[in-house]
This record gives sequence, C-alpha cells and structure tokens, in this order.
Amino acid sequence: DTAVSQTPKYLVTQMGNDKSIKCEQNLGHDTMYWYKQDSKKFLKIMFSYNNKELIINETVPNRFSPKSPDKAHLNLHINSLELGDSAVYFCASSRDIPQETQYFGPGTRLLVL
Amino acid sequence: AQKITQTQPGMFVQEKEAVTLDCTYDTSDQSYGLFWYKQPSSGEMIFLIYQGSYDEQNATEGRYSLNFQKARKSANLVISASQLGDSAMYFCAMRSRNSGNTPLVFGKGTRLSVIA
Repeated sequence: DTAVSQTPKYLVTQMGNDKSIKCEQNLGHDTMYWYKQDSKKFLKIMFSYNNKELIINETVPNRFSPKSPDKAHLNLHINSLELGDSAVYFCASSRDIPQETQYFGPGTRLLVL
Repeated sequence: AQKITQTQPGMFVQEKEAVTLDCTYDTSDQSYGLFWYKQPSSGEMIFLIYQGSYDEQNATEGRYSLNFQKARKSANLVISASQLGDSAMYFCAMRSRNSGNTPLVFGKGTRLSVIA
C-alpha cells in the first residue's frame, strides 16, 4: 500500500499552460507539505497545510495555488507555467510529532518546454 | 532561521569501508530534530535516521549512525561497511521541535559513490 502517492509521476508541458499535481496520503497524518527540488537537487519547502488549513507559504509566486479538499489530499495547481518551474515536486505528510519523519511521495518530474 | 550546511558535494568510498558525511547546522531553537535522507537515482526520498537535540546518545539504525556533537552543531552521518547500493544523494535536514508541523530545512546534499 502506497503511503503517500502523487500523480502524475511525469509531466511535460508547454510554457504558459496550467497544470495540476495531486497528492494523497493514507497514513492519517494531519499535516501535508509541498517541496520543490531544483536542478541542483536542492529541496525547499513551498507550502504546508494542517487539517486543510494553510500554515506555511514560503514566498512562492501566486501562480502556485495549493488546495486541500480534506486532510488526506493536497493538490498543487500551477498557472501560466514558466521554464523555471521545471523541477521535481515532492509531496510529504507527517503527524504533529516533531521527532517523527515526514513521509515523502515519489515525486512529480515537471518539465516545461 | 535554520540553516544546514553540507560541505562535501561528492564523496567516493570503497565497498565495505566506512564513510562519514558531514553536516553542520545553525538554529536559534533550543529544541530541534536532525534527519538524514537518502535519495537514490530512482528519485524517492528514504528516511535513514533521526537525532533529537536533547538525546544524550547518538542515534543508530543498522549500518547508519549519527555522530552528534551539539556544541559544534554538527550531525555527521556514518555509514559502516558500505555497499554498492549505498550510492546515492544524501541529505541532512532539520526541523524545529517547537511545533509538530514545521517543515524540514535541507542541506544541499552529498553525492556518495561506492566503488567495487
């Protein structure tokens, strides 16, 4: 059983398009996150949600809009895609216990042409 | 603000040898956690080991151990008896323990290559 799943795994699209990435966790966690891994492999937090409420927005352009319909899902919608959005996007989830790890999804590899 | 520094972009190690991956951190929090993750070429993030700032003993998980030196703000990962399958990117990360839902702050990673 996949704990944190993301779809799609690969996404190739043209500049200017709008796309969504979906994330689901079946671990019963309260908090979900989106991280971006750039071409140099650097991972950085974008958003986090706790029980469907946005708690962190790390100065991400407002072309990126997360949506959490329930605490098991956190989707990421990106408008007007730019070349610089090409990256791997990881969804993660965790319980509200600081010493526990976050569980990562497999990543979505986005390539904007 | 929290910061993680991994000064080794790449490391090579002979199979069956031990290797240490360096990690230093900076934080104003008194309570925090340190994590190591492995990212193989397939791309997934695999949790390896955790150390809490108040833990008195160094964490160990199988062939992985964490050399935690709080005064020096370092949390080095030691992999014993390296295997070919250990070839991957390794990330050190930290999060504050002031709240249960703080995100991880990552270092830039170290690429480990294990040579037969």
